[in-house]
Formats: sequence, C-alpha cells, structure tokens
Amino acid sequence: ETGVTQSPTHLIKTRGQQVTLRCSSQSGHNTVSWYQQALGQGPQFIFQYYREEENGRGNFPPRFSGLQFPNYSSELNVNALELDDSALYLCASSRGLAGGVVNEQFFGPGTRLTVL
Amino acid sequence: GQQVMQIPQYQHVQEGEDFTTYCNSSTTLSNIQWYKQRPGGHPVFLIQLVKSGEVKKQKRLTFQFGEAKKNSSLHITATQTTDVGTYFCAGPASWSNDYKLSFGAGTTVTVRA
Repeated sequence: ETGVTQSPTHLIKTRGQQVTLRCSSQSGHNTVSWYQQALGQGPQFIFQYYREEENGRGNFPPRFSGLQFPNYSSELNVNALELDDSALYLCASSRGLAGGVVNEQFFGPGTRLTVL
Repeated sequence: GQQVMQIPQYQHVQEGEDFTTYCNSSTTLSNIQWYKQRPGGHPVFLIQLVKSGEVKKQKRLTFQFGEAKKNSSLHITATQTTDVGTYFCAGPASWSNDYKLSFGAGTTVTVRA
C-alpha cells in the first residue's frame, strides 16, 4: 500500500453533469499529479500541483480543473461530462523535485468514472 | 509533443523463459521510470534510471537506459506467474519545466504455466 487514498472508488454520472474526485497524498509528499487512464492505455497526465499551485498541465480542456489544499490533499473537478471522460482517474503523490529530477510517483487505487 | 512508445504491446511468455520489452521516446529524457500495473490494480513504481547507459538490476529484472537517453529496456529472466501485468515506462522531457511524466501504452505480459 502506498498511503495514497482516493474517493470515491466508483462513480456513475450522466453526460453534462459535474464531478469532484478526491485524493489524500502520502505523508511527507507535497506534489500531487492527476492522470486519466482509459481502458488498455497508459496513464495520461492531466495536471500537477506543487505546494498548492498548478505546476504543469497536459492536453486536457479547461473543464478539467483542480485544487491542492494546505495539507497537500487534492481535488479533480470535471465539468460538462462527456462520454469519453469514462476512465480510471489516478492520483499520484511524490516528494516533489530533487535536483530537477522527477521523483517516483506513488499512485492511489483510482476512481473508476463511468459517464452514461 | 513528446511521445513515448513501447513494444511489444502484448507479450505471451512460457513460464521460465526470458523476454525483453522496449521503450522509445521521441525526445531526450532527463530520466526514465518503470512501473508495473497488475490487472485491476494501479501502477506501482519499479525503478528510475538517470544516467546515460545506466543499467540496474532487481532480482530477475534488468533495466537499461540508452546512451542517447531516448530509449530504455526491461529484461525479465526466468519468467514467473507473479510477473503477470502491464509494464509502463514513463519519462519527463529534459526540456520540460513542469516535470510532467509521459507514459507509454505499456506491454501487457501473460504467462503460460
């Protein structure tokens, strides 16, 4: 177990709705990254938060937004859900950067989102 | 943008045999990481390679980073049923300021007993 928790584990929404996913990072980690993993694909980077600031973003539209709180936990919000948003959403925490090198990511169990 | 490609997509191995999976990046990488995801699970960190030409071993697993830092390989000897899963390589572009990781599509390994 990595110590990274995510909630909820499963979620079913309908097209056009909004969803909020939550992540608690591992103790001592100040960086949280969110990934979308479609079936049979590798995780796709959504964005990263470092000390409550967005530290980079992948090729996802603005309806994907996030927050990081002072305790380094994080939220991923998705507005105007589309069918293609159905995927496993993974949160990963890390100790931030060390000499410019990305540290290992500790992944949570993920939230399985289904959009109908 | 940066692309990370892995081959083969699927690897069916007889228990006890060896195999190698390959990872190639379209850009130079500052480092490369390997992860394993068991069926129904989440990615778990295996190793990180930073130096050009670096080779690291973990029991039956040997990881190598290419001299040009654009490719990597994972070699597994004497495959066991516990090796079942999908192996991903991931790397940030060396020019990137935001340290995002690009993952390959993975190599899914099945083992015949």
